[in-house]
Amino acid sequence: DIQMTQTPSSLSAFVGDRVTITCRASQRISTYLNWYQQKPGKAPNLLIYATSSLQSGVPSRFSGSGSGTDFTLTISSLQPEDFATYYCQQSYSNPWTFGQGTKVEMK
Amino acid sequence: EVRLLESGGGLIQPGGSLRLSCAVSGFTLSSYAMSWVRQAPGKGLEWISGISGSGDSTYYADSVKGRFTISRDKSKNTLYLQMKSLRVEDTALYYCAKEHFSGGWYDYWGQGTLVTVSS
Repeated sequence: DIQMTQTPSSLSAFVGDRVTITCRASQRISTYLNWYQQKPGKAPNLLIYATSSLQSGVPSRFSGSGSGTDFTLTISSLQPEDFATYYCQQSYSNPWTFGQGTKVEMK
Repeated sequence: EVRLLESGGGLIQPGGSLRLSCAVSGFTLSSYAMSWVRQAPGKGLEWISGISGSGDSTYYADSVKGRFTISRDKSKNTLYLQMKSLRVEDTALYYCAKEHFSGGWYDYWGQGTLVTVSS
């Protein structure tokens, strides 16, 4: 199975900060990398698919990049509603696997 | 409007069985791959089982292989997860999720159903 490792596991940031979360795959996965946001008590919500495609309705301050084994999710200007946990997920090879999550907290 | 509604969770003793259901609306179940993803309390997301759009292929995580069975009823537009030989470590919120037709990302999720395995 492909292992997905996110860094950092948590971070503290101010509203307005630029935030970057990294996801590394244990083997090359081309651009088959997706990102989800999860708020407490809610189901995950798709943000970005295929590395850099923004899901409909997701604000443009979210962006994704990368290929191969290293990927990033960037929030260009953190908003109050962005404090949540973020997960990457590979869809290159079954079983699909998730990263362990990155919790973004308010500083 | 696409909707997924899980049910069937509850408190069960170790070794017991439970069947989860995921009733979907707004799309035809037989046209899309579907998965069950679980989340233990305070933990991350764990994919545990999937079924292809055709229904011909099913997939399981090693942690549940041989104990859980995924299936679907096209006439009821409902996805199922039959769980047997439940363990304390199976305690989690269980989500069903719909895969986008273009690839393995999940564009719709249910709200989850909680399974608690405890004596």
